[in-house]
Amino acid sequence: AQSVTQLGSHVSVSEGALVLLRCNYSSSVPPYLFWYVQYPNQGLQLLLKYTTGATLVKGINGFEAEFKKSETSFHLTKPSAHMSDAAEYFCAVSRGGTYKYIFGTGTRLKVLA
Amino acid sequence: GAGVSQSPSNKVTEKGKDVELRCDPISGHTALYWYRQSLGQGLEFLIYFQGNSAPDKSGLPSDRFSAERTGGSVSTLTIQRTQQEDSAVYLCASSLYGGGASGANVLTFGAGSRLTVL
Repeated sequence: AQSVTQLGSHVSVSEGALVLLRCNYSSSVPPYLFWYVQYPNQGLQLLLKYTTGATLVKGINGFEAEFKKSETSFHLTKPSAHMSDAAEYFCAVSRGGTYKYIFGTGTRLKVLA
Repeated sequence: GAGVSQSPSNKVTEKGKDVELRCDPISGHTALYWYRQSLGQGLEFLIYFQGNSAPDKSGLPSDRFSAERTGGSVSTLTIQRTQQEDSAVYLCASSLYGGGASGANVLTFGAGSRLTVL
């Protein structure tokens, strides 16, 4: 069975500081991995995805994530936080590109001025 | 349309009443999903429609929940005899296809319907 664990339901960083949001997954087959962002009163938007190939994936708004098979992780990073990054972030896994996605419980990012 | 539209955006109802939530997916998207988002929880899969295939209803929490998709486009999620534990945000998403490694299976979400059961 697949699962996704996001460590830290709330993360606070200062503006300009590094953003690191953690995601670990379990999957019996090669996973497809996603990060979505949800701004208040909006639906989820895709930030980035990993399917195959290069393990370092770049997404929108300066975010990137690295697939580490040995650590079963797909952590999301951004070198310098901006106030507009304040939102909730969800990690998701699908089994080999099937239609079923498993979402983590989300991490709410707060950016301090 | 340009995006996934959901209505109503907010619904307050009394326990025991029936509610209908509507989703209008992106034109041409064959796959449609319903998820439930409760406070502090992740997204809980409810149901999946793909073209004319039988839907995957494995996530529906009880027989009070049902959904249909007419003409391969608009979908309605119906909750009968609502309970307080049904209070949540119900999210609809669509994608061009239901799977595959390409960008075709990227989900586009609507803004959700927030249901409050008093």
